[in-house]
Formats: sequence, C-alpha cells, structure tokens
Amino acid sequence: QITLKESGPTLVKPTQTLTLTCTSSGFSLSTSGVGVGWIRQPPGKALEWLGVIYWDDDKFYSPSLKSRLTITKDTSNNQVVLTMTNMDPVDTATYYCAYRLPWVGMVFDPWGQGILVTVSS
Amino acid sequence: DIQMTQSPSSLSASVGDRVTITCRASQGISIYLAWYQQRPGEVPKLLIYGAATLQSGVPSRFSGSGSGTDFTLTISSLQPEDVATYYCQKYNRAPLAFGQGTKVEIK
Repeated sequence: QITLKESGPTLVKPTQTLTLTCTSSGFSLSTSGVGVGWIRQPPGKALEWLGVIYWDDDKFYSPSLKSRLTITKDTSNNQVVLTMTNMDPVDTATYYCAYRLPWVGMVFDPWGQGILVTVSS
Repeated sequence: DIQMTQSPSSLSASVGDRVTITCRASQGISIYLAWYQQRPGEVPKLLIYGAATLQSGVPSRFSGSGSGTDFTLTISSLQPEDVATYYCQKYNRAPLAFGQGTKVEIK
C-alpha cells in the first residue's frame, strides 16, 4: 500500500522560506518510473500544480513559481522535500504531495493528507 | 501555457440523474486528460486518466471521453456519495494544469 504524508510548519511569516517534507512508504524513490509531485490548494479554491521530481532526479516546476521553488529527494529515507522562498500571504494553502502513476504520465494517486500552511505575521 | 476551463462551475441534480461535466483545453492535448474527485474535507482522488481509463476501484458509473481540446466526465446515475468537486487536469507535458473545478450537489 502506497502512503504519503506531509510534514513541516503550519505557520510561517511573510518573506520566510517554507520547507515541507513528504515521507512515503510502499514504493522506493530509486525505482525506475517513480515520481512524486507537489500540488497546493488555497482555502476554497482550485488545485495548483507546483512541481514534480522523478527517480532519476529529473524535475519540472510551475513556470510562475519556478524562481521560488526547489524540490529534492532523499532516497535513503524515501522523502521528498519542497522548499519555497519568500512566502507571502497569498501562498496560504493546503500543500499536498502525491505519487505519480509510473509510466502513465504526470497523473497522481494517491495523495498525502495535506498540510495547511498559513502565511501571516 | 495551456489553460483548462470547466463547465459548469456548479450543478445540482437528483439522485439517479445522469450528470455531465465538460473540460476544455486552450490547445490540443490528445488524450492526456485526468479527472479527480474531491469530496468535502477530503483529499483529491484520481477517477480517470488517459481521458477514458477508469482508475482501479472507481465505480463504473463514472466514465470519461474526448480528445484534443474537449473532454467530458459523466456520472451515469448520481449517488449521494458523489457529492464533491471534480477537477480535470492536463498532463501532455509540463507545466501541468488543473481546471477550476465543478461542484456537484444533490437537489
């Protein structure tokens, strides 16, 4: 069974850097075809794709956030880390990590439970 | 970048009704279209990928169709547990994009 869980701060101040960790089980980040994506959802709003990292360390980012985002992986701990710089109140959202279906494309299932991050001074 | 537009934004239907949601891409995306269901207070769940392939475990009353720029998600007989917001997502190439969502309620 594949599971993912996000962890990190639930409150950050404007201009600070957000670091979230996605800890997964049921698959290995070193297995060919595996990928983990990050998606966020502001309260009451639609889903927004942030980025994805693959088993071979290939990465893709949302063009609108690329300058602020970094996604890395720790294969030994089966973790993926999202870093977003210069946080702003508009970045308040639930942040999800999700498992990319191998060899299907950038389609995600299952998703982690999500973590609500509030940006406020 | 390709934009995804869903219609309607919300709908209300009776139990047993046939419900159709439309998703339109601003450029052709072949069949690289997925549908997700997000029940109130829950995590999004994949229903369909490849425009028409049902994810394992998804009830057969859900179906998808379309290619190129126009896609539909159909619920053949609406059930109370189908109350949710439905999102389409294009994935032909990065950047990915989601539609704005369609909220389905029971009348």
